[in-house]
Amino acid sequence: AQSVTQLDSHVSVSEGTPVLLRCNYSSSYSPSLFWYVQHPNKGLQLLLKYTSAATLVKGINGFEAEFKKSETSFHLTKPSAHMSDAAEYFCVVSGRVNTGTASKLTFGTGTRLQVTL
Amino acid sequence: KAGVTQTPRYLIKTRGQQVTLSCSPISGHRSVSWYQQTPGQGLQFLFEYFSETQRNKGNFPGRFSGRQFSNSRSEMNVSTLELGDSALYLCASNSGGRSTDTQYFGPGTRLTVL
Repeated sequence: AQSVTQLDSHVSVSEGTPVLLRCNYSSSYSPSLFWYVQHPNKGLQLLLKYTSAATLVKGINGFEAEFKKSETSFHLTKPSAHMSDAAEYFCVVSGRVNTGTASKLTFGTGTRLQVTL
Repeated sequence: KAGVTQTPRYLIKTRGQQVTLSCSPISGHRSVSWYQQTPGQGLQFLFEYFSETQRNKGNFPGRFSGRQFSNSRSEMNVSTLELGDSALYLCASNSGGRSTDTQYFGPGTRLTVL
């Protein structure tokens, strides 16, 4: 079975400062990992995904994440926060293909990012 | 390409009633998955349909069911509604259901059970 743990339920940063949202995963196989963002009353939007290619993954809106197998981590970062980044962020792992669960996504509990002036 | 659409966007029902939610995937996508989002339980997988067959199921009671049509559109049904079924129901589509495939989410249907 796979799981993800988002280490912070709430992160507050000032506009223009770096963002770090932490995620650890647990998986018995090489996982596919995703970060999704959810703005209030909206659906989920993909920020980026890791699928065993480059370990540093660049996403939309200046976000990036680094897959570290030794630390079982997939932290999300952004050099400079913008007010529009305020939202809920979810770290996600997908299922294993040969068990027929590939499309099943397992979500972390979410991190609410607050950006202040 | 048009995105994933879900109808209706909002629903209010009373306990004991049943409800049907609809999801139209991105054109060409054959896999549709459903998720329930609540403040207490977070995002939980309900089930996935691929080419009209349920391929995977989460840990939900039998009151929750679904189906997929030949055009890949999917419906989700909840019978005998309970207060705890109040949630945002999200539908996601992807092309083939591989673990590397991106799942594209619709805006959700917010169900309120009174």
